Amino acid sequence: AQSVTQPDIHITVSEGASLELRCNYSYGATPYLFWYVQSPGQGLQLLLKYFSGDTLVQGIKGFEAEFKRSQSSFNLRKPSVHWSDAAEYFCAVGAGYGGSQGNLIFGKGTKLSVKP
Amino acid sequence: ETGVTQSPTHLIKTRGQQVTLRCSSQSGHNTVSWYQQALGQGPQFIFQYYREEENGRGNFPPRFSGLQFPNYSSELNVNALELDDSALYLCASSRGLAGGLNTGELFFGEGSRLTVL
Repeated sequence: AQSVTQPDIHITVSEGASLELRCNYSYGATPYLFWYVQSPGQGLQLLLKYFSGDTLVQGIKGFEAEFKRSQSSFNLRKPSVHWSDAAEYFCAVGAGYGGSQGNLIFGKGTKLSVKP
Repeated sequence: ETGVTQSPTHLIKTRGQQVTLRCSSQSGHNTVSWYQQALGQGPQFIFQYYREEENGRGNFPPRFSGLQFPNYSSELNVNALELDDSALYLCASSRGLAGGLNTGELFFGEGSRLTVL
């Protein structure tokens, strides 16, 4: 069965420090992978996505993620965190593309806190 | 470009009641998906509608049902509410499966927070 694991429930980093949020997936075929961010009381905003091609993908707000098939991972990174990055981050895998494109499987999320 | 809008933003119901949540899709999008996000959890896929028909369903009982209208807006109906139905319900829209590039990108609304007492 398809699944997404985000091992870190809560991470605290200092403003200006680098960030890496971990995501591991289980999926039988070539996955479509996504990172979304959710601020308190808000919906989900897409940060970046991987469908095929270059395994290092760039997203909005200075985020990037690297797809590593051998490790079944799609970790999110940012070189310098800003206080406004404090939010909850969700990794997701597309489970039904070509048929049911809306069927994303989400991890449980990682809450990011930023220290001044 | 108008984004995805959901109503109501908050509501409180009692066990056994029925609820209807509404979603207007983003302009140009003809596919709507619904997700349930319990507190401290990631969103879980309920179902998707394309061209007014259900096109994919997650592991939710039949008391969760939906509709999609000709203007692509959608409703989520939940009958016989249970305490565990308390959650944030998210609607997401996307471009259709046929014609054009299927980016698979979902655009989410801000959700309807349902509390069942």
